[in-house]
Amino acid sequence: KNEVEQSPQNLTAQEGEFITINCSYSVGISALHWLQQHPGGGIVSLFMLSSGKKKHGRLIATINIQEKHSSLHITASHPRDSAVYICASPRSKTSYDKVIFGPGTSLSVIP
Amino acid sequence: DTGVSQNPRHKITKRGQNVTFRCDPISEHNRLYWYRQTLGQGPEFLTYFQNEAQLEKSRLLSDRFSAERPKGSFSTLEIQRTEQGDSAMYLCASSLMGGNTEAFFGQGTRLTVV
Repeated sequence: KNEVEQSPQNLTAQEGEFITINCSYSVGISALHWLQQHPGGGIVSLFMLSSGKKKHGRLIATINIQEKHSSLHITASHPRDSAVYICASPRSKTSYDKVIFGPGTSLSVIP
Repeated sequence: DTGVSQNPRHKITKRGQNVTFRCDPISEHNRLYWYRQTLGQGPEFLTYFQNEAQLEKSRLLSDRFSAERPKGSFSTLEIQRTEQGDSAMYLCASSLMGGNTEAFFGQGTRLTVV
């Protein structure tokens, strides 16, 4: 069983739709990291959160530490949002060497 | 550009050849991480440095792999006698020390061994 799981694995949406990607983890963590990876490989950091909710533009991330669950929401989705979204849990408070990455959710937004 | 920089972006090599990748982290970051990512999978940890010291190596890092960070700034990852199974995206990230610090990733180097 993976320590960090994501759902769905693949997602296709029409432009403008509200999108939710879920991340569940079984290990104890202090924070969760949402990352975006475009075709070509580059990874961009979206959010690092340890409680509550964070918002940046059309992206919203929430986390419930007790339930070991986080969600990434995209409002008014756009084709440029098409990417793989990865959640990661740095298990150590001080280092990314123990980070556990989820398998990623591949999002495709169709015009 | 003050982000994490990796070179080259793509590398095609013949099996058995040696390859070296470079990572330039964000200048004030004292931690540097190397990951490997195969198609359809999340990144897997390979090794990391705190300043010039290599603090941990994954079991994924066979004897053919070596990483250095000689002056605590840029880092190199060398793969000797490449095998087809080494074909992957090699990602570098850097961060500050401290609680809940965020790691910033480079664009990656895609290695294809033919």
